[in-house]
Amino acid sequence: NAGVMQNPRHLVRRRGQEARLRCSPVKGHSHVYWYRQLPEEGLKFMVYLQKENIIDESGMPKERFSAEFPKEGPSILRIQQVVRGDSAAYFCASSPSRDYGYTFGSGTRLTVV
Amino acid sequence: QQQVKQSPQSLIVQKGGISIINCAYENTAFDYFPWYQQFPGKGPALLIAIRPDVSEKKEGRFTISFNKSAKQFSLHIMDSQPGDSATYFCAARASFGNEKLTFGTGTRLTIIP
Repeated sequence: NAGVMQNPRHLVRRRGQEARLRCSPVKGHSHVYWYRQLPEEGLKFMVYLQKENIIDESGMPKERFSAEFPKEGPSILRIQQVVRGDSAAYFCASSPSRDYGYTFGSGTRLTVV
Repeated sequence: QQQVKQSPQSLIVQKGGISIINCAYENTAFDYFPWYQQFPGKGPALLIAIRPDVSEKKEGRFTISFNKSAKQFSLHIMDSQPGDSATYFCAARASFGNEKLTFGTGTRLTIIP
């Protein structure tokens, strides 16, 4: 009964490259959330997705960031043309429905050099 | 309107003592208040949660106290142990509308022998 699986755990990208973060939710969970955590800060909401649909992307920067949760396969958070300010831990969480709490993955730590 | 304010930022408690972390919110639509525990390099893990129809919820050594009129809630850790040393986040969510959690900025708890 695996939890939320995120990969890679660590990702180093040069400025201007693309970062692609993957999240496989708990089996049977159809709600996926992405959060960003900067050092010594709380988690900031980015985007909420259900299968094939973006429900709320109000926390995601309009430029360079995109997310998807296809019918088959993991949810993907994509950051194009990364900049140093994108360096952070990115956490994915899933839940079976809107009335349940989240299960978080262990995160992907992105470092932009 | 969406903010959750958490204090203190850091807390040192002797082993066996009571650790108390406080949170306050503004949005009266919030109706689900979880606490998360995060160890270094790991994702947040749900510790305990409360809804505003009760004023207190206890699970083992962990208790949430909730004051609806003051829009405040707190986490009490009784008989604190070194293994409780972690960062604790309060959060809040409104059931209607989107399901995103709004997090506090975290409290780094250190339990000393």
